[in-house]
Amino acid sequence: KQEVTQIPAALSVPEGENLVLNCSFTDSAIYNLQWFRQDPGKGLTSLLLIQSSQREQTSGRLNASLDKSSGRSTLYIAASQPGDSATYLCAVRGNTDKLIFGTGTRLQVFP
Amino acid sequence: NAGVTQTPKFQVLKTGQSMTLQCAQDMNHEYMSWYRQDPGMGLRLIHYSVGAGITDQGEVPNGYNVSRSTTEDFPLRLLSAAPSQTSVYFCASSPQGLGANVLTFGAGSRLTVL
Repeated sequence: KQEVTQIPAALSVPEGENLVLNCSFTDSAIYNLQWFRQDPGKGLTSLLLIQSSQREQTSGRLNASLDKSSGRSTLYIAASQPGDSATYLCAVRGNTDKLIFGTGTRLQVFP
Repeated sequence: NAGVTQTPKFQVLKTGQSMTLQCAQDMNHEYMSWYRQDPGMGLRLIHYSVGAGITDQGEVPNGYNVSRSTTEDFPLRLLSAAPSQTSVYFCASSPQGLGANVLTFGAGSRLTVL
């Protein structure tokens, strides 16, 4: 059974820092991996999707990498801003139409 | 373009009552799904559908029913609510399955069962 873990569970940093959020999964036979952002009381917004054949994806200040063989993905946030404060979740898809989510990292960026 | 619309946003039920959470999307997406989100447990898949007339179970289907009579709508029914079903429920859709397509989420429905 696929299990997805995110470390740390919470993170508080000053504005301007570069951050790394971690996601690990137990079954390396994945089809793709997605990173989402969730603001308090809101739904999820997809940030980046990495196919199993890809090593990384970039969008603006965000860069997500995937090492399928080791069961790891990282989300790198450059030059963090208070507006980046949110919960970040990763989710993996196996060979079915199901996404398995991690429990998320709650990020606070203070001015 | 409304995206994914969930109603109601908030609901309080008594144990044993039944209700339906509504989900509608106007993007002509084939894939629709329901998740529940509980503190410390992330999102867990309840049921999903890859097209009208087709549904399948996710990780935690017990106590919930779904149907998909149209492409646009994917209601989630609680037949006899239990306190363990207190949660925030999210509906999400995608153009076709979970290939290279990202999921679009609704804003959520917060359900409390007393």
